[in-house]
Amino acid sequence: EVQLVESGGGLVKPGGSLRLSCAASGFTFRVFTMNWVRQTPGKGLEWVASISGGSDFIYHADSLKGRFTISRDNAKNSLYLQMSSLRGEDTGVYYCARGGSTGSYYRDWGQGTLVTVSS
Amino acid sequence: EIVLTQSPGTLSLSPGERATLSCRASQTVANNYLAWYQQTPGQAPRLLIFGASNRATGIPDRFSGSGSGADFTLTITRLEPEDFAVYYCQQYGSSPPFTFGQGTKLEIK
Repeated sequence: EVQLVESGGGLVKPGGSLRLSCAASGFTFRVFTMNWVRQTPGKGLEWVASISGGSDFIYHADSLKGRFTISRDNAKNSLYLQMSSLRGEDTGVYYCARGGSTGSYYRDWGQGTLVTVSS
Repeated sequence: EIVLTQSPGTLSLSPGERATLSCRASQTVANNYLAWYQQTPGQAPRLLIFGASNRATGIPDRFSGSGSGADFTLTITRLEPEDFAVYYCQQYGSSPPFTFGQGTKLEIK
């Protein structure tokens, strides 16, 4: 059974940083593109970043570039999102999602971790 | 960036009825790379359809996707109580960003 378990969310002040983690199991992690997708009150569902199995291809949403960085550790079956210079509009639920075999849809999702940016 | 517009915003139907949800793109979606997701309160989205018309593993056959180019439809025949949820479309047809629609809420009439 595929499992994706996010952690690392919480309350952070504007301008602060957080590192989200996603522990994956039940599939060959190194083979799949992994993604972060967030759901915010302002924009709904929004793709954040993607990273290919071997980290050869890395993409971030233009609106987040320079503040968020996706990475992975295949030895640990883990995905990460380093977030800095956080703003109120970054408040939302952040999901880790496994990419599809035939394209960049999201075949499996974690339960999400809540990030709240507030003073 | 491709903008996806879903309609209607809210659809009120009764169990047993047929639901038709629309997703219109601001430009052609390459390779008809369009997915549909279902989200119930407090849960993560669940993949229903990918490639416009391919059901994901374990999805009942009352769910079907159709369409091409810039116009896509999700049809749910014979609504079950558990089908009342919010539905999102997503395009992944070209290079990022892979955008989502704003969602259609399917509610019990």
